Amino acid sequence: GQSLEQPSEVTAVEGAIVQINCTYQTSGFYGLSWYQQHDGGAPTFLSYNALDGLEETGRFSSFLSRSDSYGYLLLQELQMKDSASYFCAVKGWGKLQFGAGTQVVVTP
Amino acid sequence: DGGITQSPKYLFRKEGQNVTLSCEQNLNHDAMYWYRQDPGQGLRLIYYSQIVNDFQKGDIAEGYSVSREKKESFPLTVTSAQKNPTAFYLCASIADLSGNTIYFGEGSWLTVV
Repeated sequence: GQSLEQPSEVTAVEGAIVQINCTYQTSGFYGLSWYQQHDGGAPTFLSYNALDGLEETGRFSSFLSRSDSYGYLLLQELQMKDSASYFCAVKGWGKLQFGAGTQVVVTP
Repeated sequence: DGGITQSPKYLFRKEGQNVTLSCEQNLNHDAMYWYRQDPGQGLRLIYYSQIVNDFQKGDIAEGYSVSREKKESFPLTVTSAQKNPTAFYLCASIADLSGNTIYFGEGSWLTVV
């Protein structure tokens, strides 16, 4: 089966750096992706890792270690608009599974 | 522009009724998914389909049914057997097996009255 674990909530101040960890178990593995969701909206794509290493997209970076079944999303130079839920997702054989989400709260 | 269209955006269901949520995509994607999201919770997989005329149960399929008669359409029926259907429903599709870049519809809010 598939399962993903990520912290439920992280609080940080504007300008800080936040790391959201994700560990996963999956039957088959194609890649780990990250999504942002604001209240009432659909998730939007942030980043994707199929191979080990770091992917950087502006203020957001994502890391993957396939041998450890582990990845993280790094949010730099936090802004108030980054307050949202962040989900990791794994594509295995057929299924596309999401973690329970991490609520990021950015304070002034 | 290509994308996924879900309808209706808001839907109210009476006890004992079946309701159907529409999901249409013009992205030519093979794989489509339905998720349920409860307030403050993650996305739970209801059903998915990797090809026309084939679909698989997800983690919470009880009380739901789907069909995939056309590549672009994957409707979800919430049956009266689903005892607690009030939730936000999301339809998604992916371009290839890797799962890189998942396209979501805008979601449908279902409320039981």
